[in-house]
Amino acid sequence: EPEVTQTPSHQVTQMGQEVILRCVPISNHLYFYWYRQILGQKVEFLVSFYNNEISEKSEIFDDQFSVERPDGSNFTLKIRSTKLEDSAMYFCASGSYTFGSGTRLTVV
Amino acid sequence: AQTVTQSQPEMSVQEAETVTLSCTYDTSESDYYLFWYKQPPSRQMILVIRQEAYKQQNATENRFSVNFQKAAKSFSLKISDSQLGDAAMYFCALQYNFNKFYFGSGTKLNVKP
Repeated sequence: EPEVTQTPSHQVTQMGQEVILRCVPISNHLYFYWYRQILGQKVEFLVSFYNNEISEKSEIFDDQFSVERPDGSNFTLKIRSTKLEDSAMYFCASGSYTFGSGTRLTVV
Repeated sequence: AQTVTQSQPEMSVQEAETVTLSCTYDTSESDYYLFWYKQPPSRQMILVIRQEAYKQQNATENRFSVNFQKAAKSFSLKISDSQLGDAAMYFCALQYNFNKFYFGSGTKLNVKP
């Protein structure tokens, strides 16, 4: 079964620092998504990406966030200046329903 | 607008017994998909089962089956012969046309030995 791979699995960062979360989607998929889940809460949509551009983004996805597909295989989520409230599990999804194992981001 | 509602924040089941988790949804789309995901303490999102709305037949995957009532907009998950490893959060979700997922708030399932 093809997998979506996310790295790192856990990242701890200082408030105000930039972080880049990485995802390797399934190779022939065209649609990619980022979601986040604050501990104990529901999964929230951040952004969807199709044909190398953002197709939809949520209110959460403000100017602090950006996504890229830098080399045709990786799919990254960048948070420019992290806040304490950015601490969450971040999931990449590929195709329509295959989720990666997530990156746990802790901002201290 | 699409909404997904899971009205049971927490459920318990005895090992080897059967449990049903409820999910209702609302959508104006005619073609959509419904999903159940399992989230163990590791917090991975593991696909349990998927149902295409245009298919009348209920999806099954081993011990997991759904009761899909399209007119009632209901999509419940039945877990038969519950095992300790089934203990997790379960999320119901809806998606259409490769758009974003709409998730319910989750049901925590406890399995008692």
